[in-house]
Amino acid sequence: QVQLQQSGPGLVKPSQTLSVTCAISGDSVSGNSVAWNWIRQSPSRGLEWLGRTYYRSKWYYDYAESLKSRITFDADTSKNHFSLRLNSVTPEDTAVYYCARGRSGTYYFDSWGQGTLVTVSS
Amino acid sequence: IVLTQSPATLSVSPGERATLSCRASQSISNSLAWYQQKPGQAPRLLIYDASTRATDIPARFSGSGSGTDFTLTISSLEPEDCGVYYCQQRGNWAQFSFGPGTKVEI
Repeated sequence: QVQLQQSGPGLVKPSQTLSVTCAISGDSVSGNSVAWNWIRQSPSRGLEWLGRTYYRSKWYYDYAESLKSRITFDADTSKNHFSLRLNSVTPEDTAVYYCARGRSGTYYFDSWGQGTLVTVSS
Repeated sequence: IVLTQSPATLSVSPGERATLSCRASQSISNSLAWYQQKPGQAPRLLIYDASTRATDIPARFSGSGSGTDFTLTISSLEPEDCGVYYCQQRGNWAQFSFGPGTKVEI
């Protein structure tokens, strides 16, 4: 059974870069039938899909249009984890950040990390 | 595509039926999922493709609908079913989105 374990700092200063990592057990970050997603949740924005990365002979990245200019994903096959980086953060980026697994060709998320609360504040 | 959910809050007694609604601003065929979220936890997948229960989801949860109108029904509410329920759709060009949620309270 897949398990996703998140890690990352809980406090980030405005204008800096937010970074969260999701370690995978029970599946492979480079599996050809899965996609690895980032979703965040805040009282003002609700659940917001941020994007995904997946491997199909090469790495692919889909980003939410609203964040495309500030967000990047990375995957490390040696550590079997994937990461989110969001730069130039503001207090509006304060949220619980989740990683989640999707299956190839599907749109839903069947396994989730435990969530990481990231607060943007000076 | 925008998802709206109603009601915002639903109060139900144990053993009663709970009916939650999700409406899409345009047709999404049957590409709709439902999640349950309890306080302090991540969402849990309940239903996908509008009516297919996910692994280990009790039979009292059922989904229906297609096009723009969808329903999640909890046939006989258990105390552990309280939480917030979200619908989610595929979107266009892999831009997935969620509804605002319905809070179910006992």
